[in-house]
Amino acid sequence: GENVEQHPSTLSVQEGDSAVIKCTYSDSASNYFPWYKQELGKRPQLIIDIRSNVGEKKDQRIAVTLNKTAKHFSLHITETQPEDSAVYFCAAIGSGGSYIPTFGRGTSLIVHP
Amino acid sequence: NAGVTQTPKFQVLKTGQSMTLQCAQDMNHNSMYWYRQDPGMGLRLIYYSASEGTTDKGEVPNGYNVSRLNKREFSLRLESAAPSQTSVYFCAGEGSGNTEAFFGQGTRLTVV
Repeated sequence: GENVEQHPSTLSVQEGDSAVIKCTYSDSASNYFPWYKQELGKRPQLIIDIRSNVGEKKDQRIAVTLNKTAKHFSLHITETQPEDSAVYFCAAIGSGGSYIPTFGRGTSLIVHP
Repeated sequence: NAGVTQTPKFQVLKTGQSMTLQCAQDMNHNSMYWYRQDPGMGLRLIYYSASEGTTDKGEVPNGYNVSRLNKREFSLRLESAAPSQTSVYFCAGEGSGNTEAFFGQGTRLTVV
């Protein structure tokens, strides 16, 4: 089955800095890569996603890049703000038609004012 | 439009007790999932249902059973709760394959 590795587990930045979270996946058949944000005590919610036919996608201060050859994808947050503090999960989906989301272990992002 | 709804939100059980976590969605999802979330372990799949009438084991199925009662409802049952099942449980639904998963609000379960 799919295996997703996510790093770092904790990331501490100053407000205004950039943050980068990296994930690798094992199954070359995976073709959909969403990122979820989970605020304390709340449910995970999608913030951005990318499909395997695209190398980069941006939405205001967040962007995701995908390298299919290397089987890794990254989340980039620019001009971080305290409200960006949360746990971020990457996921990989789309192996052999089962479409089961396999999640990374999460990154706790702390943005210091 | 309620989305994905889980009940209860909080539960304390004694070791050996049983309970059922309920999940219902009104988003016409074909696939539904149960995950557990533990510190540092991310979201681990317990069971899933790719369509009404089918269920399959995920990564950590031991100690759990599920029922896909109809397209809307997917329940998770603990027959004999153990302290190792203390966790936050999330139900999720997904529509047509390779799309966004929508999560319920979670159930915080403590087994003492």
